[in-house]
Amino acid sequence: DAKTTQPTSMDCAEGRAANLPCNHSTISGNEYVYWYRQIHSQGPQYIIHGLKNNETNEMASLIITEDRKSSTLILPHATLRDTAVYYCIVHSGSARQLTFGSGTQLTVLP
Amino acid sequence: GAVVSQHPSRVICKSGTSVKIECRSLDFQATTMFWYRQFPKQSLMLMATSNEGSKATYEQGVEKDKFLINHASLTLSTLTVTSAHPEDSSFYICSARDGGNRSPLHFGNGTRLTVT
Repeated sequence: DAKTTQPTSMDCAEGRAANLPCNHSTISGNEYVYWYRQIHSQGPQYIIHGLKNNETNEMASLIITEDRKSSTLILPHATLRDTAVYYCIVHSGSARQLTFGSGTQLTVLP
Repeated sequence: GAVVSQHPSRVICKSGTSVKIECRSLDFQATTMFWYRQFPKQSLMLMATSNEGSKATYEQGVEKDKFLINHASLTLSTLTVTSAHPEDSSFYICSARDGGNRSPLHFGNGTRLTVT
């Protein structure tokens, strides 16, 4: 699976949109982009995933660039409960397991 | 949605004893479950892949005789930390998919193990 690069940390004001970037310049054609988050002392939580089209669900939106070398997770109206480590993972499905990188610590400020 | 339940959430044990952690898929069947370990301020590290009805697959550097995995049914996998030592203190998390390899992973809420 392709490697991803994310900023170590980001801050966001409560009520504003949180935009979390992820670089995956070596992504191959059959690899999906997955986003998970982990609130402190809890298990990770699945957020969203996509292949090349932008995706939206009740939690977030995923914007994937046309060349698929990067993506952005958007939390449209961040709340204090969105403070967590956000992991961007690229996965083809050929391996059953997921490999987690370091993620981005998002802190939503009041 | 798919739910993975993990028990216990916290356990404290003495050095030399064994601890069993259970991972259950509540509303789906899982032929494969994954066990991760997470040390403070670090990311999740895959320890092993649990396979229903067959032996687990361990990642490099993980001692299979120390971390015993049993996946006896399609909804239950157990991880037993044998002869625990303080360095085994960590956050253990299990996960499973409700579908093929591209389906999202669903995670348990983790088990905080403290070995005194």
